[in-house]
Amino acid sequence: NAGVMQNPRHLVRRRGQEARLRCSPMKGHSHVYWYRQLPEEGLKFMVYLQKENIIDESGMPKERFSAEFPKEGPSILRIQQVVRGDSAAYFCASSPAFSSHSGNTIYFGEGSWLTVV
Amino acid sequence: GDSVTQMEGPVTLSEEAFLTINCTYTATGYPSLFWYVQYPGEGLQLLLKATKADDKGSNKGFEATYRKETTSFHLEKGSVQVSDSAVYFCALSEGNQGGKLIFGQGTELSVKP
Repeated sequence: NAGVMQNPRHLVRRRGQEARLRCSPMKGHSHVYWYRQLPEEGLKFMVYLQKENIIDESGMPKERFSAEFPKEGPSILRIQQVVRGDSAAYFCASSPAFSSHSGNTIYFGEGSWLTVV
Repeated sequence: GDSVTQMEGPVTLSEEAFLTINCTYTATGYPSLFWYVQYPGEGLQLLLKATKADDKGSNKGFEATYRKETTSFHLEKGSVQVSDSAVYFCALSEGNQGGKLIFGQGTELSVKP
């Protein structure tokens, strides 16, 4: 059973370009989460999606960032007009539907490292 | 709001030493608690978890006990190995927020032979 798959693993963009990060959840998982890890910091929640729905985007910057999880295909985190401060590791995680017994465990991918030059 | 505080790193130990990484939390409800480990250049792996007070999570020789009275979830291992060198993250999740995790800042552990 493949884990959470993210690509690309490393992405370099010039200031002002767009970055698209993709995430395929584990088989059978319908919930996807995106987290950002800035240098020397812990992970910060960005957005929580189910198929075709954004459930919680309280951690998303108000501008330039968007996320989707279409009915078919991977989840996409899109950053428009990137700036140097967007350089970070972006982690996707997935989970099945939650129950009271699951302990809310989510499973992380290996991350996409974005460098803005 | 909810938060997680970990002891600052880096922590440097000799092989076979005893490890404690402190973690305390603040939460309005009854969260689940987690320890994740991140090896260099890799993503996060779930190390252990506990879902209610007095639960003990354990895995690969690591243990942590959910202490509601002290709002703590300290990570311990009796004898560390060089291969345990990594960054360790404590995290919590409120039951009504799906998989939205709040992480501590991480503690880097370096184990020397």
